[in-house]
Formats: sequence, structure tokens, C-alpha cells
Amino acid sequence: SQTIHQWPATLVQPVGSPLSLECTVEGTSNPNLYWYRQAAGRGLQLLFYSVGIGQISSEVPQNLSASRPQDRQFILSSKKLLLSDSGFYLCAWRVGGPYNEQFFGPGTRLTVL
Amino acid sequence: QQQVKQSPQSLIVQKGGISIINCAYENTAFDYFPWYQQFPGKGPALLIAIRPDVSEKKEGRFTISFNKSAKQFSLHIMDSQPGDSATYFCSPKGLNQGGKLIFGQGTELSVKP
Repeated sequence: SQTIHQWPATLVQPVGSPLSLECTVEGTSNPNLYWYRQAAGRGLQLLFYSVGIGQISSEVPQNLSASRPQDRQFILSSKKLLLSDSGFYLCAWRVGGPYNEQFFGPGTRLTVL
Repeated sequence: QQQVKQSPQSLIVQKGGISIINCAYENTAFDYFPWYQQFPGKGPALLIAIRPDVSEKKEGRFTISFNKSAKQFSLHIMDSQPGDSATYFCSPKGLNQGGKLIFGQGTELSVKP
């Protein structure tokens, strides 16, 4: 069966510090991978998505970046965090096909102080 | 460009009542209409989905109603329970979207005992 892991689960970082969030998927091959941010526990803002290794599409201009060094690994990074980067970060995957569901990870709660 | 409009933003229902959440869309190419359910501190998960070849789909207490001419689909929760308290997202999709998904703004449902 497929599983998706995210770590860390929670993170408190000072403004200006770097960030690295990792997401890995098991039990599937060549998934589409996604990073979302959810502020105030509400809407899902798509940040990045990837349809293959090294292929990253950015949806929102910001101080975040994403990388996909391996087929089932997706990393969200920042060189200098801002207060506005606080939120709940969700990684998700789905396999190709237009009507396949999207599976979300457990999320990382990031607080920037 | 707001392709999906979800309403209401929040909803309070008494236990045993009916919860109704609506999703209006603009893109007539959408042909898959899922609802996702998210509990606090967790990632969203697929709850129920419908294809436009039927106007209604029922799974237990959850029903999707689809109105193609109005470009709208709704989630009905019958006999609402406190355990249904969560945030609900619609995420209509079409073949021309590729890997990118679009989510509604979310509806926070609270079922009072």
C-alpha cells in the first residue's frame, strides 16, 4: 500500500533562518507531487507541483523553493524565513490519470517567530 | 482568476440535522467532482466524488448532488454527527488541467451535540 511521510511534524524557527521540509512517498512510482500551504487552518494554497524528477512548477512567487532529487522525494526549502511563512505545510501525491484522487501527508506545522 | 467558489465559509448544524455545502465552478470542461474532508491538524482525504453522467451519488450519510446547467455541485450530510466536524473542500477537475488541482476555499463545519 502507498504511504506518504512528512517531517518534521512541527517546527519553530526564527525569522531569517533557513528551512528544509521533506516529503517521501512509498509504494508508488512516478507520482505527481505537490506542496500546499494552509494558513489559519482554512484554504489550500498550491505552492509547487512536480510531474517528474527535476521538474518543478511554481505557482506563487515567494521566498520558497522546491526540489525533487528522487522520484518519490520532494523537498521544500527557504534560505531566509519570513513571519508570513508560518502555516501548515502539506505534501500530496497522485498518480497520472485524470480522475485519480490526491493523497495528502500528515503535514508540518511551521511557526516563524 | 477564481474558477471555484465554495459556500458557506462556515456552517453550524445541530446533531441530527442536514449539512449542505455548495461548490460553483466556471470551467465547463470539468468532469470530475470530488469532495475532500479535513480534520484539525490532519491532511485532507477524499470523501466522495461524482462524474457528470449521474446527477446524484450517495455513500452512507453523504450525498453529492450535481447540477450541470447551473455549474454547481453540493455535498449533503444527513443526520450530521459531531464526528463530521471538519473542513470540507471541493476540487473539480477536467482533462485539460494536467497535474494541477484546484480547491475551493473550504467550509468549516461544526456539528453541535
